[in-house]
Amino acid sequence: QKEVEQDPGPLSVPEGAIVSLNCTYSNSAFQYFMWYRQYSRKGPELLMYTYSSGNKEDGRFTAQVDKSSKYISLFIRDSQPSDSATYLCASFSGGYNKLIFGAGTRLAVHP
Amino acid sequence: GAVVSQHPSRVICKSGTSVKIECRSLDFQATTMFWYRQFPKQSLMLMATSNEGSKATYEQGVEKDKFLINHASLTLSTLTVTSAHPEDSSFYICSAKGVDATTNNEQFFGPGTRLTVL
Repeated sequence: QKEVEQDPGPLSVPEGAIVSLNCTYSNSAFQYFMWYRQYSRKGPELLMYTYSSGNKEDGRFTAQVDKSSKYISLFIRDSQPSDSATYLCASFSGGYNKLIFGAGTRLAVHP
Repeated sequence: GAVVSQHPSRVICKSGTSVKIECRSLDFQATTMFWYRQFPKQSLMLMATSNEGSKATYEQGVEKDKFLINHASLTLSTLTVTSAHPEDSSFYICSAKGVDATTNNEQFFGPGTRLTVL
């Protein structure tokens, strides 16, 4: 079993839709949870960073972590064609450099 | 701030040759740099972690004699793929962490290098 599981998609939605991206993880020691966005042939860029359980909102993006069910979510409101990219979740435990990435979900937002 | 560059952005080489990829932190000092490999439509897999001035720590299954990593300064790490073969063709991405409060709590990723071995 992979430590971080993520459905690779692809996910195709119309412009303006609410997008829900999800991951599950198996390591109870994970405390830090990230969402990265990666455009084609580019390096990942950090979107959201959450510590432990709870919600975090930044503009159109909301990250949720439920440690009881080991479930990580990213919601995108009012999705735009420019949001079309691969979204990767990642986790690591405290004091440890190693990021464990999910497989990434390819999202396409069409006009 | 916190920009990481990679050079070259893409490289094509013949089987059996060696290829060097550079990773630079442009506006911060990176005590730790990471090298990842990403195959098409797959996630990033950590290959090795390097700390400035010391030997790299390789992940299980990564051949240290094939993927030579040097982190000789606080702004530069290099990955050399020795005797490259077609199965080494991949997207190689580096990331860096710094020492101060603005750069030590996340990894900043470079734009990646696409290696194609013929």
